[in-house]
Amino acid sequence: SQKIEQNSEALNIQEGKTATLTCNYTNYSPAYLQWYRQDPGRGPVFLLLIRENEKEKRKERLKVTFDTTLKQSLFHITASQPADSATYLCALGNTGTASKLTFGTGTRLQVTL
Amino acid sequence: DTAVSQTPKYLVTQMGNDKSIKCEQNLGHDTMYWYKQDSKKFLKIMFSYNNKELIINETVPNRFSPKSPDKAHLNLHINSLELGDSAVYFCASSQVVTVQETQYFGPGTRLLVL
Repeated sequence: SQKIEQNSEALNIQEGKTATLTCNYTNYSPAYLQWYRQDPGRGPVFLLLIRENEKEKRKERLKVTFDTTLKQSLFHITASQPADSATYLCALGNTGTASKLTFGTGTRLQVTL
Repeated sequence: DTAVSQTPKYLVTQMGNDKSIKCEQNLGHDTMYWYKQDSKKFLKIMFSYNNKELIINETVPNRFSPKSPDKAHLNLHINSLELGDSAVYFCASSQVVTVQETQYFGPGTRLLVL
C-alpha cells in the first residue's frame, strides 16, 4: 500500500540555520508533490509544488527537491526564523478529475532564538 | 474575504446524535473535499466532489453523507455519532487542471463526541 513518511519527531533548529525536512514515499508514482504548512488550530496552507519532471523548485527562502529514483523530497528553509515554526506536510498527487492528494504525517519544526 | 469557510468551528455533542458541518468556497473552484485529521495529526481524505458530482469516496462509514447543493458548497452530515468520530474535519477546494491541484483549506471544525 502507499506509504508517505516524514520525520515524526520534531525538528529543533536555531534561528538563522537551514532547516531540512524529509518526505519519503513507497508504492507510489506521483505526478507532483506539494508541501503545506499547518499552524496549530488552522488548516494547511500551500507552499510549493514540484512536478515529477522537475528536480528543484525555489520560492524566496524555500527550496524543494524531488528525486523520483530515491522516492524522496527534501524541503529546505534557509535563514530560518521563529515565525517558521509550524508543522510541515508533504502531499503526493496525480492528475485527473478523480485524483487526490495523499498526505504525510507531517514534521513539526521549532525554530529557537 | 475568507476563501474557504466552515461552520461551526467547534462542535461538542453526545454519542448517537446527528450533526452537520457546512463548507463554502468563494474561489470559483470546481472541486471540493472533506478531510479528517485525527489526534495524531494524520490528514486523510474522505470525499471529493467535482461540479456537484461525487468522485472520491474513501472507505468512510455510510453514517457520513456529503451533499453538494452547488459548486460552492459541500456539506457533511454525520448520523449516529461515535466516539471515534472525534477529530478535526477540514474542507478544501481546488480547480482541477492538468498538473497543478493546489488545495485551499478551511479553518477546520473541531468535533468532540462525548
